[in-house]
Amino acid sequence: EDQVTQSPEALRLQEGESSSLNCSYTVSGLRGLFWYRQDPGKGPEFLFTLYSAGEEKEKERLKATLTKKESFLHITAPKPEDSATYLCAVPGSYNTDKLIFGTGTRLQVFP
Amino acid sequence: NAGVTQTPKFRILKIGQSMTLQCTQDMNHNYMYWYRQDPGMGLKLIYYSVGAGITDKGEVPNGYNVSRSTTEDFPLRLELAAPSQTSVYFCASSSSGEGNQPQHFGDGTRLSIL
Repeated sequence: EDQVTQSPEALRLQEGESSSLNCSYTVSGLRGLFWYRQDPGKGPEFLFTLYSAGEEKEKERLKATLTKKESFLHITAPKPEDSATYLCAVPGSYNTDKLIFGTGTRLQVFP
Repeated sequence: NAGVTQTPKFRILKIGQSMTLQCTQDMNHNYMYWYRQDPGMGLKLIYYSVGAGITDKGEVPNGYNVSRSTTEDFPLRLELAAPSQTSVYFCASSSSGEGNQPQHFGDGTRLSIL
């Protein structure tokens, strides 16, 4: 069964304290893995697409990496404005026009 | 560029009332989606469309209906609203159904059924 699991559910960091969020997936023939950021009261905002194992993408303090079973979102020296829920999603094995979302990691960065 | 626009942003309904949630996109995307998001439950797909005139059910379609008469618009209809439909509803669109392009989301409609 296609599945996406994110961990931890919640993460509290001090400003400047680097950490990583995990997204594990079980799908056949991965077409792409997507990371989103969601602020309270807003819709998910697209961050990155990763297509193959070994690929990395960076944006400011965020770096996403991909292996054959999981993806990591590394946050380097986070700031309070990085506080948000981070979601990952993959297309289904047999219905690639539908995304399967994880339940997200809620990140709080304190000054 | 507006992207995906949803209206209204907030709405309170009484049990048994009906309403239509509006969604429009200006990116000329063929694929459009409706999700609901409940606390701690993640995004659940209600209905989706691969182009004008074509719609299909997602995971949780009961109590909802959709239509797609144009590429731009994908309204979601609630008939006989029930408390279980209290949720945040998101519309999204994508340029491809092959799983290699992201979906882009609107900012949601927060719906309460009392």
